[in-house]
Amino acid sequence: DIQMTQSPSTLSASVGDRVTITCRASQSIGTWLAWYQQKPGKAPKVLIYKASNLESGVPSRFSGSGSGTEFTLTISSLQPDDFATYYCQQYHTYYTFGQGTKLEI
Amino acid sequence: EVQLVESGGGLVQPGGSLRLSCAASGFSFSTYWMSWLRQAPGKGLEWVANIKRDGSEIYSADSIKGRFTVSRDNAKSSLYLHMNSLRAEDTAVYYCARGNGEYVIYFDYWGQGTLVTVSS
Repeated sequence: DIQMTQSPSTLSASVGDRVTITCRASQSIGTWLAWYQQKPGKAPKVLIYKASNLESGVPSRFSGSGSGTEFTLTISSLQPDDFATYYCQQYHTYYTFGQGTKLEI
Repeated sequence: EVQLVESGGGLVQPGGSLRLSCAASGFSFSTYWMSWLRQAPGKGLEWVANIKRDGSEIYSADSIKGRFTVSRDNAKSSLYLHMNSLRAEDTAVYYCARGNGEYVIYFDYWGQGTLVTVSS
C-alpha cells in the first residue's frame, strides 16, 4: 500500500498569510495526487488534481506542485473561508489519503 | 448542478446488515465511475470501493472485502453499498463520490454523507 504523510498536522496562521502544506508518498506516484478541503460536518471538496491542476471554480490563491514522492499545497493569501482541514490523496494505485492538516486561526 | 444524495444509514448491531443508496442527478450517471468512501468519527478519509460506468469492474479496499458489495443501477442513476457482517470499526460517515477520469480517477463531487453506527 502507498502511504501518504502530511505535514504539519496542525498549522496556525492569520488572514493574509501565505501557507504551505507538504505531502509525501511512500513511493513514486508521478503526479497522481489530489488535494481536498473539508470543513466540519461537510463533505470534502476537491481543490487540485493531478498535482497542480486547479479544479474549476476554486480560487486561484490555491496552487499545487510536486511530482514523484513530494508535493505541496500553497495558499497564497489566507482568507477567512480557508480555515479548514486539508487532505492529500494519491490515485496512482488505488486511493489513500494523508492524515490531514488542520489549518486554524 | 451535480447532486449526490446518500441515504440508508443508521444504527445497526454488530454482525448486522445495511444497504446504503446514493441518488445522482445533474450529470450523465452512466458515463462516470462511482465510488464509496468513509470517515470514522474524528478521523481521516478512507476509500471503500469503486465501480466502473457499466458495472463491469469493481475494486474495493481490503478492509471490506468479502463483506461489502457495491452495485449501481444506471437506469435509476443510483449507486448502492450492501454492507454485511458489520463491525464496530465500520462506524463512519459514508460518502458517495463521482470519479473524474477515464480509468485513473479522482473524486470531483461528493454527497453530504450518511452516518452508519455499529453498536449493540
